[in-house]
Amino acid sequence: GDSVTQMEGPVTLSEEAFLTINCTYTATGYPSLFWYVQYPGEGLQLLLKATKADDKGSNKGFEATYRKETTSFHLEKGSVQVSDSAVYFCALSITNAGKSTFGDGTTLTVKP
Amino acid sequence: GAVVSQHPSWVICKSGTSVKIECRSLDFQATTMFWYRQFPKQSLMLMATSNEGSKATYEQGVEKDKFLINHASLTLSTLTVTSAHPEDSSFYICSARPPGQTKAYEQYFGPGTRLTVT
Repeated sequence: GDSVTQMEGPVTLSEEAFLTINCTYTATGYPSLFWYVQYPGEGLQLLLKATKADDKGSNKGFEATYRKETTSFHLEKGSVQVSDSAVYFCALSITNAGKSTFGDGTTLTVKP
Repeated sequence: GAVVSQHPSWVICKSGTSVKIECRSLDFQATTMFWYRQFPKQSLMLMATSNEGSKATYEQGVEKDKFLINHASLTLSTLTVTSAHPEDSSFYICSARPPGQTKAYEQYFGPGTRLTVT
């Protein structure tokens, strides 16, 4: 079946450090890929998405590139801020039926 | 816009009792709502898809008689955990989709409800 494997957390960084959260997937078809962010006490929010190979999703300084050859969708940010502290989920969807498969989530803590 | 609320945010109940969790779309109508379950340090697992005015579609392995879902209006879906047991303790998350949107990412998540069964 479809699955998403995320880098295990927690991840603790100092402000302005470079962030990478690895995400790899296995899928029976051609998936769309997503990153969601969950701030404390809030619901998951779509952070960025990519729907085909080599697409780069970007938002709020975060980027991720859909790499079909390595089945990966790693999340990166060049300079993290304390406000980026949250849980990040990688997810995929094969169809547009609304069902998504999520990774286990990676907790990021950014210290001043 | 696109705010989804859940109530309660945290509930403790005794084993054998039932508990109801509400999911509301506050500023839009939601023809479809999803219910997820999340165990500590694990991913969200889709439990069921709820369409307004019709029966919910449950994922494989989810007991429909255990987890009753009602989507009686375009802004409210409820999940009732019947005869709860300690193993039902978990974090339950709903999401809602506005009408006319069908993409997987077109859903807005609630903040979740922490259920603890003693």
